[in-house]
Amino acid sequence: DIQMTQSPSSLSASVGDRVTITCRASQGISNFLAWYQQKPGKAPKLLLYEASRLEAGVPSRFSGSGSGTDFALTISSLQPEDFATYYCHQYYNTPPWTFGQGTKVEIK
Amino acid sequence: EVQLLEAGGGLVQPGGSLRLSCGASGFTFGTHAMSWVRQAPGKGLEWVSFISGSSSTTLYADSVKGRFTISRDNSKNTVYLQMNSLRAEDTAIYHCAATDYYFGKWGQGTLVAVSS
Repeated sequence: DIQMTQSPSSLSASVGDRVTITCRASQGISNFLAWYQQKPGKAPKLLLYEASRLEAGVPSRFSGSGSGTDFALTISSLQPEDFATYYCHQYYNTPPWTFGQGTKVEIK
Repeated sequence: EVQLLEAGGGLVQPGGSLRLSCGASGFTFGTHAMSWVRQAPGKGLEWVSFISGSSSTTLYADSVKGRFTISRDNSKNTVYLQMNSLRAEDTAIYHCAATDYYFGKWGQGTLVAVSS
């Protein structure tokens, strides 16, 4: 199984900050990586797929990069509604589909 | 608008059974693969099971293989998860998700609690 490791596990940031979350795969996954946002008590929401393609309706302050084993999700200017937990997810070698452990973005 | 609505969760004793359902609307259900993904309290996401649009392919996580069965009824736009021999570690919110290699749309989930 492919293991996905996110860092950091949590971070504190202020509105307007640039935030970057990284995700590393235990083996190469090309660009078969998605990012999700989850708010407490809510369903996860797809933000990006194929590592850098923005899902329809997702604000352009979200961007993704990377290929192979190392990936990043960047929020260019953090907004109040962005405080949430973010998960990376590989779909290169399935089953199983595997997720990172999550990164909680909190208000500083 | 795509909507996925899960039902069927509840409190069950270890060794018991539950059948979850997920009703879909807002997209061509029969052409989409579907998955179940669970989230234990305070924990991350874990893929559980997958079914192709035609039901020809079903897949399971090792942790549930032999105990859970996924199925679908395209005439009712519904996917099911039959869960048998439930264990305490199966306690989680169970989400259904439309699957386009990744998980494009998710339902809010239904809580399954396994406890005596």
